Amino acid sequence: AQSVAQPEDQVNVAEGNPLTVKCTYSVSGNPYLFWYVQYPNRGLQFLLKYITGDNLVKGSYGFEAEFNKSQTSFHLKKPSALVSDSALYFCAVQTGANNLFFGTGTRLTVIP
Amino acid sequence: GAGVSQTPSNKVTEKGKYVELRCDPISGHTALYWYRQSLGQGPEFLIYFQGTGAADDSGLPNDRFFAVRPEGSVSTLKIQRTERGDSAVYLCASSSWTDAGELFFGEGSRLTVL
Repeated sequence: AQSVAQPEDQVNVAEGNPLTVKCTYSVSGNPYLFWYVQYPNRGLQFLLKYITGDNLVKGSYGFEAEFNKSQTSFHLKKPSALVSDSALYFCAVQTGANNLFFGTGTRLTVIP
Repeated sequence: GAGVSQTPSNKVTEKGKYVELRCDPISGHTALYWYRQSLGQGPEFLIYFQGTGAADDSGLPNDRFFAVRPEGSVSTLKIQRTERGDSAVYLCASSSWTDAGELFFGEGSRLTVL
């Protein structure tokens, strides 16, 4: 079965510092991996996806993610965190025809 | 509007009652999804429509849950004989068939069963 795991419930980072939100996956075959963000009182928003090709994927709001096949990871990164990046982040893997399996989420807090 | 619209935004009901939650997807999106999100958890898949038909309903927890999309646009999630454990935020999402995995989510319907 396809699944993802987010080992950290909470990540705190100082504004201006680089941030990493971790995700590992377990899939059979080639994984289709995604990151979504949930701001307070807002719907989930798509950030980026990895289907094939370059291991470094660039997405919205300056975020990027690195696909690492040997470590079965797909960590979300940003070179310089903003206070406005504080939100709940979900890693997801595509299962079946078009469905997504989501991780449990990581709450990112950027401290001014 | 341009986004996915869900109504009601909040619903409080009593155990045993029937509830309907509505989703109006982005115009032109053929795929529609229902997810359920409990506190502290990620969204949990319930059902996926491609057009009018349910392409995958494997996530529906039991036969009290049912969803329809009769004209391939608006969808209704129906929950019979609600239980306290059904309390959650019910999320609807839609997508274009060309952008697999890029789901556009509504803000959700928060269901509280007393």
